[in-house]
Amino acid sequence: QKEVEQNSGPLSVPEGAIASLNCTYSDRGSQSFFWYRQYSGKSPELIMSIYSNGDKEDGRFTAQLNKASQYVSLLIRDSQPSDSATYLCAVNRGRGSQGNLIFGKGTKLSVKP
Amino acid sequence: ETGVTQTPRHLVMGMTNKKSLKCEQHLGHNAMYWYKQSAKKPLELMFVYSLEERVENNSVPSRFSPECPNSSHLFLHLHTLQPEDSALYLCASSQGGVDTQYFGPGTRLTVL
Repeated sequence: QKEVEQNSGPLSVPEGAIASLNCTYSDRGSQSFFWYRQYSGKSPELIMSIYSNGDKEDGRFTAQLNKASQYVSLLIRDSQPSDSATYLCAVNRGRGSQGNLIFGKGTKLSVKP
Repeated sequence: ETGVTQTPRHLVMGMTNKKSLKCEQHLGHNAMYWYKQSAKKPLELMFVYSLEERVENNSVPSRFSPECPNSSHLFLHLHTLQPEDSALYLCASSQGGVDTQYFGPGTRLTVL
């Protein structure tokens, strides 16, 4: 069983719509969850981190965590063409200093004008 | 410079060459990481250094040799690589106790 799973996409949404990106993880002891955005040819950049069940909002982005279902999602409201990128879900088993992140393969998002 | 920097940004080498990748972080962090990103595969953690001590080595072949002389600098020494080692090599750093990692721009490596 893969440790962190994401639908590879591409996920295509029209400009202004809500994009919903999903991620499941296998290690029930995971404590920290992250969403990174990666533009083609660039390095990943952190968008959101979430540690507790529920929703966390930051501007147009909302991360949702459900540890019972081992599920984390990212919602992007009012999607813009500049949001077109690959979104990586990453999970850390603990909150220690080693920061051993396990990444999913990423979901490619395309926002059409 | 700010953040995490990596040099060179692009590298082409033959299988018999020896080269080194360099990473420098200007964030005051005390943990640094090397990742490999190949097409169609997830980011793979290669090495972790915390307080200049290697704490993770994910079964990486010995033709990759890391070095962390201080908390701001990290090297990846390469020798007798194979074509399948061609990938984007990413460096990241984080602050101990806070596991958010910040990535450098990467080195695109091509092995001929």
